[in-house]
Amino acid sequence: EPEVTQTPSHQVTQMGQEVILRCVPISNHLYFYWYRQILGQKVEFLVSFYNNEISEKSEIFDDQFSVERPDGSNFTLKIRSTKLEDSAMYFCASRHPGLADSTDTQYFGPGTRLTVL
Amino acid sequence: KQKVTQIPAALSVPEGENLVLNCSFTDSAIYNLQWFRQDPGKGLTSLLLIQSSQREQTSGRLNASLDKSSGRSTLYIAASQPGDSATYLCAVMGNNNDMRFGAGTRLTVKP
Repeated sequence: EPEVTQTPSHQVTQMGQEVILRCVPISNHLYFYWYRQILGQKVEFLVSFYNNEISEKSEIFDDQFSVERPDGSNFTLKIRSTKLEDSAMYFCASRHPGLADSTDTQYFGPGTRLTVL
Repeated sequence: KQKVTQIPAALSVPEGENLVLNCSFTDSAIYNLQWFRQDPGKGLTSLLLIQSSQREQTSGRLNASLDKSSGRSTLYIAASQPGDSATYLCAVMGNNNDMRFGAGTRLTVKP
């Protein structure tokens, strides 16, 4: 069964450094998402992406964050200058552009655990 | 901004019981609602998706209902098993392609 993959599984970085988290969505999906989950807290929406542009972003997704689909398969989240509070699990998800049927499900990757020291 | 609330925060039941998890949301203008399962330290597994025009969906021992006008959804689990122990998340997709999650219900099913 196709699945969303994410690399790396764990990233440790120093405060102020840039990090890029990578995701390979399911191949025929057209909607892509990033979420984060701080340890012990709820999953939070960061950004959605469709047709090579951001379609919606949350208040968390400030100028420090950016997303890109550099080729036909990867979807990346960049954090320009990491802060301690960016430590979290980051999930990528993708969705088939189905209309009003169960293929509209969002499929999540296993996550990247980001630790900022 | 959409706010999603799940009650109860935690639930412990003996094996074999039927149970109901509740989810409420503040903005009824939704695109769909999805229930997920999350095991400790793991990702999210989709259980059921209900489109905004639908009232319920079923998969095996799981049944999810949606009452959009009152901003409520329930997840019914029949004949619970220890393997059902996990955190169950309710998530609402808005018409702007954003998805907002509840804090989850942590379920423990005791053998």
